[in-house]
Amino acid sequence: SQKIEQNSEALNIQEGKTATLTCNYTNYSPAYLQWYRQDPGRGPVFLLLIRENEKEKRKERLKVTFDTTLKQSLFHITASQPADSATYLCALDNNFNKFYFGSGTKLNVKP
Amino acid sequence: NAGVTQTPKFQVLKTGQSMTLQCAQDMNHEYMSWYRQDPGMGLRLIHYSVGAGITDQGEVPNGYNVSRSTTEDFPLRLLSAAPSQTSVYFCASSYSREGAYEQYFGPGTRLTVT
Repeated sequence: SQKIEQNSEALNIQEGKTATLTCNYTNYSPAYLQWYRQDPGRGPVFLLLIRENEKEKRKERLKVTFDTTLKQSLFHITASQPADSATYLCALDNNFNKFYFGSGTKLNVKP
Repeated sequence: NAGVTQTPKFQVLKTGQSMTLQCAQDMNHEYMSWYRQDPGMGLRLIHYSVGAGITDQGEVPNGYNVSRSTTEDFPLRLLSAAPSQTSVYFCASSYSREGAYEQYFGPGTRLTVT
């Protein structure tokens, strides 16, 4: 069966450190993978997209990697701040305009 | 731009009642979709549309209907509400940027079915 797995346990880190979140998937062959941020009581907000032929993508303090052999994406936030505390979701497309989301990982950045 | 708007924000229904969740976007996006989000389950796709007059089923379509008569609006109809449909519902819109869709989400509708 198809699965998208994100660590369900919250990630607690100290301000200024790098946060690394993992997204693993099975039985998908996505053309691209996306990361979203979701704050409590709000809709997800798009952050970054990485295509299957890209190994790494950066945007300001964010970095995403995509390993189609391992079927894994890593999402990094460098120099993390308390304002980065949120739930982060990864999403895949199935090449037919259908999107599948992981259940998200909650990040807590402590001052 | 207002982006993606959803109404109502909160709704309580009794089992068997029907209702329509409204979704509108003012960004001229061709792609729109409906998701439900349950604790620990992530977002699950209910229905989606790639343009006016075109809709298709997602992962969990049973009990829901959609139509897309205009580019701007994509209402979701619950035909006969059941407690299992208690959830938070999100509408999203997007456009194709070089074959990839970045989705813009509305604020959500929290639905409780008793």
